[in-house]
Amino acid sequence: GENVEQHPSTLSVQEGDSAVIKCTYSDSASNYFPWYKQELGKGPQLIIDIRSNVGEKKDQRIAVTLNKTAKHFSLHITETQPEDSAVYFCAESSGGGADGLTFGKGTHLIIQP
Amino acid sequence: DAEITQSPRHKITETGRQVTLACHQTWNHNNMFWYRQDLGHGLRLIHYSYGVQDTNKGEVSDGYSVSRSNTEDLPLTLESAASSQTSVYFCASSELLALDSDTQYFGPGTRLTVL
Repeated sequence: GENVEQHPSTLSVQEGDSAVIKCTYSDSASNYFPWYKQELGKGPQLIIDIRSNVGEKKDQRIAVTLNKTAKHFSLHITETQPEDSAVYFCAESSGGGADGLTFGKGTHLIIQP
Repeated sequence: DAEITQSPRHKITETGRQVTLACHQTWNHNNMFWYRQDLGHGLRLIHYSYGVQDTNKGEVSDGYSVSRSNTEDLPLTLESAASSQTSVYFCASSELLALDSDTQYFGPGTRLTVL
């Protein structure tokens, strides 16, 4: 991987609303795109990932979409809850995840009650 | 339960000292990684290893070294600590289950301060 841009850096949404975080990448060889959630004082925790042979993946309230032509992928969280408040990182790899990940700079998601 | 641990969780040291951060995983994963996390930079790869006796440099490897003498451990050494190495360090591991499967699991991190 080379470079990953992540937006926005901070996102505040009302509880129950949806949140969308977007990332773009530059390496055409990228084929693995995980999303991590990091709570204060803890290590990043994988919440969902997608590989280059699919365009969308869902897991309950969380979904990730991938547009390889445009080189961007997005995290969608529906029906947000207070426990969703955290910092979220996108990442990419060109080795299917077997090599190191290149991370975005993170999005601080704030769920307003 | 299998897990990945890091020690110490917090460390304060002085400029010029050698420091070693420990990483231990009980999943028997072949792949292990070290990242540093700094405000405004996200996580950046320092070194990684695909197995015993294998080590590779990452994006920000200058001033750091690793050694892999067994599957479970990948210690990270700062040969001569510098203030620019003040950061939070994360270890991760993964196993190649199939050609396209390699989730990385992260440890809890070590906060290092170099004075």
